[in-house]
Amino acid sequence: EAGVAQSPRYKIIEKRQSVAFWCNPISGHATLYWYQQILGQGPKLLIQFQNNGVVDDSQLPKDRFSAERLKGVDSTLKIQPAKLEDSAVYLCASSLDGRAGEQYFGPGTRLTVT
Amino acid sequence: AQSVAQPEDQVNVAEGNPLTVKCTYSVSGNPYLFWYVQYPNRGLQFLLKYITGDNLVKGSYGFEAEFNKSQTSFHLKKPSALVSDSALYFCAVRDGGYGQNFVFGPGTRLSVLP
Repeated sequence: EAGVAQSPRYKIIEKRQSVAFWCNPISGHATLYWYQQILGQGPKLLIQFQNNGVVDDSQLPKDRFSAERLKGVDSTLKIQPAKLEDSAVYLCASSLDGRAGEQYFGPGTRLTVT
Repeated sequence: AQSVAQPEDQVNVAEGNPLTVKCTYSVSGNPYLFWYVQYPNRGLQFLLKYITGDNLVKGSYGFEAEFNKSQTSFHLKKPSALVSDSALYFCAVRDGGYGQNFVFGPGTRLSVLP
């Protein structure tokens, strides 16, 4: 079974530029999550999708971050414009059960904003 | 709002000795509790979870955790540590109500010394 795929693995941009991350979850997993993990901290949930609907985006900075999950499969997370404090690893995860199911994580995208 | 505390940034243990990584939580409803491990240069991996039932749950790689409702704790344990267990361990909690934010703790770095 293929795992969660993410691209790119690394990205360096200047502040005020825009960037997009892509995630392909495990086949059949209805729930998809995006997390931000700043160095030395635990992952922080940005947004949770159930199929193509948003379940929780309470911690997504909506003035600059956006995410979509068209057709309930792949998802993209966009930052526009980026700030220095957005430097982090962005993790995508998926699960069968959005309440009690274990999450399977992708390798992450390491973003550096200069 | 739910929260998770991991009171130790670092735990050192000798190979062959038992290990404990501590976690306490706060939720308003019934907790769904998880442990994840992050090995160097690898993604987050699920270890075990407590949803309901027996307070002692067993997971991958010989790890187990005990749910203690009165102490609001979910400590991770292993009877005999291996050098290969050295990694970053995260406790996570969700309130049992659907749509509630999934919260990770700050992580505990476990070092098993040969």
